[in-house]
Amino acid sequence: AQSVTQLDSQVPVFEEAPVELRCNYSSSVSVYLFWYVQYPNQGLQLLLKYLSGSTLVKGINGFEAEFNKSQTSFHLRKPSVHISDTAEYFCAVRGWGGSEKLVFGKGTKLTVNP
Amino acid sequence: NAGVTQTPKFQVLKTGQSMTLQCAQDMNHEYMSWYRQDPGMGLRLIHYSVGAGITDQGEVPNGYNVSRSTTEDFPLRLLSAAPSQTSVYFCASSQGDAAAQYFGPGTRLLVL
Repeated sequence: AQSVTQLDSQVPVFEEAPVELRCNYSSSVSVYLFWYVQYPNQGLQLLLKYLSGSTLVKGINGFEAEFNKSQTSFHLRKPSVHISDTAEYFCAVRGWGGSEKLVFGKGTKLTVNP
Repeated sequence: NAGVTQTPKFQVLKTGQSMTLQCAQDMNHEYMSWYRQDPGMGLRLIHYSVGAGITDQGEVPNGYNVSRSTTEDFPLRLLSAAPSQTSVYFCASSQGDAAAQYFGPGTRLLVL
């Protein structure tokens, strides 16, 4: 079974500052990793995913994440945030082959202040 | 493509009532799932399906039933609503275990 820990429940930052949202996972098998974003009163939208290959993954809206197998982490970063990035961000993990279950972290609420 | 659609958007029930939340996708995805989202809890898997005629339980299945008679539809049934089922429900679909899930817009349910 897999589990996901998002280390910060809330992250306030100022506009144009860099941000890092932390995600650690545990799994006994190899995994696929995902970051989703949820804007207020909306469903979840995929930001980026890591399947294999290069450990640095680029997504939409200028976000990127780095897979670190030794630290079992998949932190999300953006060098300069905008007010419109205010949303809740979810890290998710799914094990290779067999189970199709996607396990989510509890979310990190990013608030970008002017 | 409409993607994943959910109806209704909002619903208020009284304790003990039953209802069905509808979910449909037009992407011919094999995999469909139901999640509930509660504050501070993230998304928790209720039931999922890997194809028509095949369903299985997720993390929090009690009080919910599902069926998958077609590839497109995956309804979620609340048999006897309880206040603890007040939540936002999301349906999702995907094709293959390496594929990302596409989410519907959600159904907000209030049980009084």
